[in-house]
Amino acid sequence: EIVMTQSPATLSVSPGERATLSCRASDSVSTNLVWYQQKPGQAPRLIVYGASTRATGVPARFSGSGSGTEFTLTISSLQSEDSAVYYCQQYHNRYTFGQGTKLQIK
Amino acid sequence: QVTLKESGPALVKPTQTLTLTCTFSGFSLNALGMRMAWIRQSPGKALEWLARIDWDEDKFYSSSLKSRLNISKDTAKNEVVLTMANMDPMDTGTYYCARIDPVNDKAYFDYWGQGLLVTVSS
Repeated sequence: EIVMTQSPATLSVSPGERATLSCRASDSVSTNLVWYQQKPGQAPRLIVYGASTRATGVPARFSGSGSGTEFTLTISSLQSEDSAVYYCQQYHNRYTFGQGTKLQIK
Repeated sequence: QVTLKESGPALVKPTQTLTLTCTFSGFSLNALGMRMAWIRQSPGKALEWLARIDWDEDKFYSSSLKSRLNISKDTAKNEVVLTMANMDPMDTGTYYCARIDPVNDKAYFDYWGQGLLVTVSS
């Protein structure tokens, strides 16, 4: 099983600043990686697929990068509504999720 | 418009079998390449993939839960059913059904249901 490790566990960023979230895979997943945003009481929402393609309707301030085992989700100018837990997930070999990064707005 | 909704019991007793139904619209599970999955989330914890069923009846299960799971589909009713045997309090959590993007062989969950909270307690 491919293990996904996210860092940091919690990130606190001021509005308008940049947030950088990391995800590491225990084995190469090529670019078969997605990022989800989850707010309390809601289902996960697809943000990025194929490691770097924004899903429909996702603001341009969200960008994904990486391949192989190292991935990054960057939110370039943080808005209050971006407060959520962000999960990475690989779909290269079955499906496994990271443990999440809780993004807090200062 | 793609929609999915989970239904089933909110409370089950330990050792019982859980049966969950996902009712969907906006696509057909008979269509070539279509696949659906079940995922769960324990309270305050991360997400865990459970099972997948494909348009051609292929089925795949989480290695750690395979002996307890069964996934099936009723294409006439637009439903996917998951059963999980021998429920334990550790199985308490929110259960989601999701569609898998049908375009690529390796694909992600592009649409999710709202989730159903299941509590296992005597």
